[in-house]
Amino acid sequence: DQQVKQNSPSLSVQEGRISILNCDYTNSMFDYFLWYKKYPAEGPTFLISISSIKDKNEDGRFTVFLNKSAKHLSLHIVPSQPGDSAVYFCAASYTGGFKTIFGAGTRLFVKA
Amino acid sequence: GAVVSQHPSWVICKSGTSVKIECRSLDFQATTMFWYRQFPKQSLMLMATSNEGSKATYEQGVEKDKFLINHASLTLSTLTVTSAHPEDSSFYICSAMTANNEQFFGPGTRLTVL
Repeated sequence: DQQVKQNSPSLSVQEGRISILNCDYTNSMFDYFLWYKKYPAEGPTFLISISSIKDKNEDGRFTVFLNKSAKHLSLHIVPSQPGDSAVYFCAASYTGGFKTIFGAGTRLFVKA
Repeated sequence: GAVVSQHPSWVICKSGTSVKIECRSLDFQATTMFWYRQFPKQSLMLMATSNEGSKATYEQGVEKDKFLINHASLTLSTLTVTSAHPEDSSFYICSAMTANNEQFFGPGTRLTVL
């Protein structure tokens, strides 16, 4: 049972344009959401997070939007840069829970 | 952010041998560490939660006798893949949790079993 879903395995974007990565979840108990970036043969690195009490969190070029009613969140990268090319994992956890549940990841290609 | 290291970064071994992977939190103490496995083009799969001084908690479907986890100190957890077989070939990643419940990941270990 996939509690966190990233339905797009890959995304290709032109440099300078916006990248939008989507994530859906099924467990209504999740109250904390994270995005990780991962390069090949490396561990994931934390990118940005959002608590369920917010609907938007912004950090530089990265913005995460949360729509609780739709159980959907998205990561926007503006402007996209070639160095952003990586796999992006959406993850979720809940207060009192210990585990972070990861989505399958979306591979982003930013073309120069 | 906090630094987590893994050793080795890659290992090739013969079928039937055992391989030990170390995970260290370099600049903080971690009472809890996690071990993940990543198959090609797939998500990170949590294998087990490792608590210092106690037995690890394994996820459903993960053989505890196959994947031995020892969390001997607040900065070190080890994963031993016993009697490794080609199907155990994978990318193994650990993470360590800080006192603020932030999770930092190691760089991963690529295991290839011939």
